[in-house]
Amino acid sequence: GEDVEQSLFLSVREGDSSVINCTYTDSSSTYLYWYKQEPGAGLQLLTYIFSNMDMKQDQRLTVLLNKKDKHLSLRIADTQTGDSAIYFCAEEPDNYGQNFVFGPGTRLSVLP
Amino acid sequence: EAQVTQNPRYLITVTGKKLTVTCSQNMNHEYMSWYRQDPGLGLRQIYYSMNVEVTDKGDVPEGYKVSRKEKRNFPLILESPSPNQTSLYFCATSRRGGAGELFFGEGSRLTVL
Repeated sequence: GEDVEQSLFLSVREGDSSVINCTYTDSSSTYLYWYKQEPGAGLQLLTYIFSNMDMKQDQRLTVLLNKKDKHLSLRIADTQTGDSAIYFCAEEPDNYGQNFVFGPGTRLSVLP
Repeated sequence: EAQVTQNPRYLITVTGKKLTVTCSQNMNHEYMSWYRQDPGLGLRQIYYSMNVEVTDKGDVPEGYKVSRKEKRNFPLILESPSPNQTSLYFCATSRRGGAGELFFGEGSRLTVL
């Protein structure tokens, strides 16, 4: 079945760049997503990339997609303390999307 | 304001005592879904609904029931809760058949003793 993997923890210094990595298994995924979960809250969509793209940039966020290796990454430039959260990678394995597959989440800690 | 509202947010109960977690959305979305979040496992889908009176099992449906009698509500029912159902539960909705952005409720933390 589908599986999405991420490292569970990442610590960076404020002002540095953060890179959160994700590997997925379903090459037919149409979209790949990054969701952010702040403490005590639900998940919110951070950004997404269509499967025919290699890169997407949105202000401080850069998403890179390597379809050959089924590898997705999220880079956060100039990381701030407000970026401390859990980041989930998710794939949408089929056209109906009724069963998004989420990774375990990477807890990003930003140190002052 | 677009909202997905879950109740209760926190609940401690005992094994075997039936409970219902409600989910209500005001976005007129057709698709609704329930997930549970456990440390190191991410989110796993319990049940989903593509429209009124249409529900299907997700990855971990055992021990749960759902109903979708009206578009805005999608309650999660635990007929006989057990300790392994202690978890953080999220309801999510989407405007187009499950594809695209999921909008999540704030979560319901359930403890079964």
